[in-house]
Amino acid sequence: GEDVEQSLFLSVREGDSSVINCTYTDSSSTYLYWYKQEPGAGLQLLTYIFSNMDMKQDQRLTVLLNKKDKHLSLRIADTQTGDSAIYFCAESRTSNTGKLIFGQGTTLQVKP
Amino acid sequence: DTAVSQTPKYLVTQMGNDKSIKCEQNLGHDTMYWYKQDSKKFLKIMFSYNNKELIINETVPNRFSPKSPDKAHLNLHINSLELGDSAVYFCASSQVVRTYGGELFFGEGSRLTVL
Repeated sequence: GEDVEQSLFLSVREGDSSVINCTYTDSSSTYLYWYKQEPGAGLQLLTYIFSNMDMKQDQRLTVLLNKKDKHLSLRIADTQTGDSAIYFCAESRTSNTGKLIFGQGTTLQVKP
Repeated sequence: DTAVSQTPKYLVTQMGNDKSIKCEQNLGHDTMYWYKQDSKKFLKIMFSYNNKELIINETVPNRFSPKSPDKAHLNLHINSLELGDSAVYFCASSQVVRTYGGELFFGEGSRLTVL
């Protein structure tokens, strides 16, 4: 199937770490992505990971990929109120059409 | 300068009407997309064009007809609007590279409400 699944909501306190999880079903996924959507805006790419990597770090963001379990996570260190948004996990199965399959999005609420 | 711009941002209309949403990108990308985001925030691809040629056409009713007059523009026309068409429609573009799926650049969305 085409399912990419995420939990719908996560609430953290400012300064804590946030971990957003995603599972996907297709083992042929080539790239996996995290997009961020702020209220009233389109999605913006945060980071991506190639399927032969286990981990990628980019400043406060750490992406972990467990290909065996088809599990992807995004960790945001020192979460700020500006990180409040919806986070979408997405997978790309073929690299020549740009088609992405998105999860339902996880709403991250950061409390001061 | 807005990279991917869509108009209108909001559209409220009656069932049965026909409406269009326009999209333009100034990034020089070859590929453009329409995605639909429903009330539960679920985002699903509808169409994709590469250099004015249709390359992705998901299971979408025939009432939806995309048109790409050139590679910088992708419009979406919807006939005989139904209540279930109410959603936010996102246009996106990418410069697809064979070895990498390519980052999608999204517009701000067009919220369609069908009454």
